[in-house]
Amino acid sequence: DAGITQSPRHKVTETGTPVTLRCHQTENHRYMYWYRQDPGHGLRLIHYSYGVKDTDKGEVSDGYSVSRSKTEDFLLTLESATSSQTSVYFCAIKPGTSGGDEQFFGPGTRLTVL
Amino acid sequence: SQQGEEDPQALSIQEGENATMNCSYKTSINNLQWYRQNSGRGLVHLILIRSNEREKHSGRLRVTLDTSKKSSSLLITASRAADTASYFCATDSGAGSYQLTFGKGTKLSVIP
Repeated sequence: DAGITQSPRHKVTETGTPVTLRCHQTENHRYMYWYRQDPGHGLRLIHYSYGVKDTDKGEVSDGYSVSRSKTEDFLLTLESATSSQTSVYFCAIKPGTSGGDEQFFGPGTRLTVL
Repeated sequence: SQQGEEDPQALSIQEGENATMNCSYKTSINNLQWYRQNSGRGLVHLILIRSNEREKHSGRLRVTLDTSKKSSSLLITASRAADTASYFCATDSGAGSYQLTFGKGTKLSVIP
């Protein structure tokens, strides 16, 4: 998993509660991404980061915020979880410009919002 | 919106046969990548082909790219039961920060 960990791996929460998912990498890669995966949709980009404190929105960013205060951690927050945010969330990294263009994925977090 | 669309959605073959999956996309690209996902796991990068390349090989994998038709194909030769997985194409349109847009995937089942 290219030194990428996600926590928690599984979470069940109730509608309206805040939830924070953490992605941690050990190799100081510059680019980090959050995706969600839903049946029939493949992976869709939520937010991404191109450096500490540098983040931007992806295709499905509504209802999500992110923060990156350290190179190694990229946090995804659902301010007030809804049932439509039940999904599997994947974090990915891309090595810097000197590396290849492929992304490396973490193991995923399965989130259920009741 | 989905950039890549894989075809077929599901494919079942016997071990030893070849498996071909297709991907179509809508906008111009810098590169196209194929990933594999085993059930319940994260995605694993398989192969990348750049927009100025037409064919690329890696082991039992062969990828072709036709930018005029905005399509790519992934061929897995001499399939094995361990190749059972979902396969996704992903495109980098050059929008910045190496963002990828994924298709919905092809679920491949290789029967021993």
